Amino acid sequence: SQWGEENLQALSIQEGEDVTMNCSYKTYTTVVHWYRQDSGRGPALIILIRSNEREKRSGRLRATLDTSSQSSSLSITAAQCEDTAVYFCATDTGSGGSNYKLTFGKGTLLTVTP
Amino acid sequence: AQTIHQWPVAEIKAVGSPLSLGCTIKGKSSPNLYWYWQATGGTLQQLFYSITVGQVESVVQLNLSASRPKDDQFILSTEKLLLSHSGFYLCAWSLFWGQNTLYFGAGTRLSVL
Repeated sequence: SQWGEENLQALSIQEGEDVTMNCSYKTYTTVVHWYRQDSGRGPALIILIRSNEREKRSGRLRATLDTSSQSSSLSITAAQCEDTAVYFCATDTGSGGSNYKLTFGKGTLLTVTP
Repeated sequence: AQTIHQWPVAEIKAVGSPLSLGCTIKGKSSPNLYWYWQATGGTLQQLFYSITVGQVESVVQLNLSASRPKDDQFILSTEKLLLSHSGFYLCAWSLFWGQNTLYFGAGTRLSVL
């Protein structure tokens, strides 16, 4: 498996709090994707960080990537109820050629309560 | 703008019955297409991918098959459903070689009883 010991985690926080989700991967990658999946919907990319970037920001989102430890994190500042979703990290583990395989981690269910 | 449409939204099927799920992408010619499967509460697992009409590659063996009869259409099917086929099926596309961002459809929820 591409991923370390990682089951679907559940985090519950209150509105206004900051939260950080972590993931680690086993195989070298040049990019880590973070996807968000709302209940009953398909995932959507929210932020992508490349190996030449240690940190990437998008609004209240902040992603980090440490290629030496093969880990990435996603932080949400001042979480809002609408941030409630499952968050997945994913890496490119394609075998080359034309298969663009994204391998997804097991995800974090984030619940933000008022 | 590109749009991706999956059908049906949900299916309830009996073990041993056939299945056909569909996906159509509009607004993008020759997209790379993918089928992913997601168990309830689980992660996403790639099943198939296709880079051109008529060519489909299998990533895992789950007694499912896929076809790409048209440039904008991707079909997932099986002749005999198993209980283990239950889950959420997602179709996705990506732009071109080297672009790994996936754009997912809304998915089909399949319950096999």
